[in-house]
Amino acid sequence: EVQLLESGGGLLQPGGSLRLSCEASGFNFRQYAMSWIRQAPGKGLEWVSSIDNGPGPTNYADFVKGRFTILRSDSKSTVYLHIYDLRPEDTAVYYCAKGLAGAVTGPDLMDFWGQGTLVTVSS
Amino acid sequence: QSVLTQPPSASGTPGQRVTISCSGSSSNIETNYIYWYQQLPGTAPKLLIYRNDQRPSGVPDRFSGSKSGTSASLAINGLRSEDESDYYCAAWDDSLSGHVVFGGGTKLTVL
Repeated sequence: EVQLLESGGGLLQPGGSLRLSCEASGFNFRQYAMSWIRQAPGKGLEWVSSIDNGPGPTNYADFVKGRFTILRSDSKSTVYLHIYDLRPEDTAVYYCAKGLAGAVTGPDLMDFWGQGTLVTVSS
Repeated sequence: QSVLTQPPSASGTPGQRVTISCSGSSSNIETNYIYWYQQLPGTAPKLLIYRNDQRPSGVPDRFSGSKSGTSASLAINGLRSEDESDYYCAAWDDSLSGHVVFGGGTKLTVL
């Protein structure tokens, strides 16, 4: 059974930084791309970043503007999202999701999603 | 503003057929596959349709997807109360360096 367990969220102050983690199990982690998607309270889904298998290329949404870094550790079956210079507009539930294949691209997006971790940025 | 456009709401009565549209452009829907996700209240999104019209195992065949040009649709036949949920379309967008785009979501109410 595929499982994705996110952690690292919480209440943080503007300007701070954090590292979100997503530990995977139930599938061969190193074969698949992984992504982060966020959802602000009461809003829709917003793709943040993806990292291909390998580890291969990374891709980021335009709004990231260098403040986010996605990394993966195949030995730990874990994908990370570092967020720097936190802003109130980063407040959201952050979901990690498994790719349908080794790369998130035209034919292959995300299939299985974790339950998410809430990040609240407020002073 | 979402890159893909969905109606904010839809509704139907039990047993009815309901369709949800998703409109995009030549850089996303027209040239790439469309995906549909179901998000029940308070839960994580779940893959409903992938590669335009493919259903993952466990998804009832009441759900179907289609695509034509720059638009796509999700159809739900034999509407049931448990289908009341938010539905999101998504696709790869070839513009810039490539990225994933979502629709704004459609809240389906079963009357």
